[in-house]
Order: sequence, then C-alpha cells, then structure tokens
Amino acid sequence: DVKVTQSSRYLVKRTGEKVFLECVQDMDHENMFWYRQDPGLGLRLIYFSYDVKMKEKGDIPEGYSVSREKKERFSLILESASTNQTSMYLCASSRGDRDSVGYTFGSGTRLTVV
Amino acid sequence: DAKTTQPPSMDCAEGRAANLPCNHSTISGNEYVYWYRQIHSQGPQYIIHGLKNNETNEMASLIITEDRKSSTLTLPHATLRDTAVYYCIVIGTASKLTFGTGTRLQVTL
Repeated sequence: DVKVTQSSRYLVKRTGEKVFLECVQDMDHENMFWYRQDPGLGLRLIYFSYDVKMKEKGDIPEGYSVSREKKERFSLILESASTNQTSMYLCASSRGDRDSVGYTFGSGTRLTVV
Repeated sequence: DAKTTQPPSMDCAEGRAANLPCNHSTISGNEYVYWYRQIHSQGPQYIIHGLKNNETNEMASLIITEDRKSSTLTLPHATLRDTAVYYCIVIGTASKLTFGTGTRLQVTL
C-alpha cells in the first residue's frame, strides 16, 4: 500500500524553537507539497517541490522553509516557531503528470506552539 | 487556476445518492477537475478526476457538463462513513492543488 508518512502525529514546541516536520513518500513521486489547515481557512499551500533540491513558494511561505535533499523526503522547517504557527500540517505527493490518480496525503501533524 | 464554487453544506439520507455540485465557469481547456474528500482529522483522500468525459470508479461518478463550466460528483449509495468535507478542485498548468472551502456532506440515518 503506497504511503505518505509524516513523522509525528502530534507535536508540542515552545515559542522560538526550531521545528522540523518530516515527510517521506514511497511512491517515487516527483512532486511534494506542504499545506497547513486551520478552521475556517481550509488548506493553504506553504511550499512545494517538483524535483530534488528544487522548491517553490506557495501561498503562505512566510515563517517557513523547506528542504528536499532526496526524492522521497520533504522537510518543512519552522526557523523560530511562533504561536500563530499552531496548526495541522499536511504533506502530499504526486506524480509529475496531471493525468494521474492525484495527490496522496499523509495523516497530518498537529503542531501546538506554546 | 480556475476558481470553484460549492455549496457550504448538504444533507443526504443513508442509502440514497448524494449529488454534490461544483461550478467552475472559468475553467480552461487543459485544466482537469479533481474531487477529494476529508474525513474529520484525516488527510484529504483522492476520489476521482476528469477532463471532458464522465468518469466512474468504485467510489463515485463524475459528470462534467459539455461546456465544462460545472460538474457533479455522485456517491451512488451514501453511507455514514461518507460524511466528510468534499473538495472540487481545478488543476492548471502548475499542477498544484488549491483547496476551497468545500461542501460539508452530512449523511444521516
């Protein structure tokens, strides 16, 4: 069964900490994405990557960075966590062509910054 | 990427067909229509997608109008486990999903 695995289901961090959210996919997908989901705001795209060592800003990149050193792994980094980054974070991957079976999402990481 | 418009919520009796509409009047010729759903506290799940023709799989059917300005997702026999938020998304050349607020489908006994 193909999977997108996020390293933590729940995470609590302190304000100012550097936080790493890890995502691994086993489908050899080219594209990977990070979203955050907040009540009333839906899913918003933070960053995405179409290839190893490539990254592009999504709609809300401020306060975040990403790393994609290997095809299967896409990391989201909060350089200095703040309380307004408390959210559900979702990772997804997809093949390079649009005529595919779509994106596969991980189960999410619920991050609380205190 | 084209915008989509969906009703915020719908109810459906268990066992009946659930028909979820989506308007995408600004869709362009090379854009696909995708449907996802999100059950509470889980990641979104792919349901179906199409370009011009109607599509069917084990989960649902997708009917896209001839002018491609709207589509309808049909769950033929809704169950309580189909209660979720359903997202209609149009994917453009950038191939990145942009989610709207979706339709909250409540299936009731």
